[in-house]
Amino acid sequence: NAGVTQTPKFQVLKTGQSMTLQCAQDMNHNSMYWYRQDPGMGLRLIYYSASEGTTDKGEVPNGYNVSRLNKREFSLRLESAAPSQTSVYFCASSITVAGSYNEQFFGPGTRLTVL
Amino acid sequence: DAKTTQPPSMDCAEGRAANLPCNHSTISGNEYVYWYRQIHSQGPQYIIHGLKNNETNEMASLIITEDRKSSTLILPHATLRDTAVYYCIVRLQMGSGGYQKVTFGTGTKLQVIP
Repeated sequence: NAGVTQTPKFQVLKTGQSMTLQCAQDMNHNSMYWYRQDPGMGLRLIYYSASEGTTDKGEVPNGYNVSRLNKREFSLRLESAAPSQTSVYFCASSITVAGSYNEQFFGPGTRLTVL
Repeated sequence: DAKTTQPPSMDCAEGRAANLPCNHSTISGNEYVYWYRQIHSQGPQYIIHGLKNNETNEMASLIITEDRKSSTLILPHATLRDTAVYYCIVRLQMGSGGYQKVTFGTGTKLQVIP
């Protein structure tokens, strides 16, 4: 199993450009998440998808949109990139099963720079 | 979710036990304590979790005080590869059909010294 994969690993954008960050998991997890991490700070939740077909805003959703394409894939789109969106983006997934713990599995991250 | 407080940084000598404290004085009865760590530039990695009893796995031990207002993560024999930021998180465990909203703070940066 590859776990959680993210593409691309690195990206440089100019202000105003758009791009989509891709995330896929092969663990049959029902929940998926997008976080951003700025230098010296903890992770902040952007959007999450509790299950296929549903998405909800997290702590810092402004400037982003998401698509839960199917159970495996959860993409994050920046429609008009801004320098404030320079960050490392992590995708995560988890399984939700009643009565059991639900650790999150994280991908390797996408390092995005907006000039 | 209950708020957690952790020291910003700690040092530990290689081979010694690393004891990382976490204060969660506002924890409610059905909230679990989770620990994750993040090795430089990588995605966070789950370590251990517990509700009220002490827990141990192949990576670490978790000691939760009787009043559940604080806990300690113990790495019994720290190695250089344990140098990382350690996050203590308190949250509700959601059942089937629910979701996990996890709030990561800034954690404790553990430096293992040779």
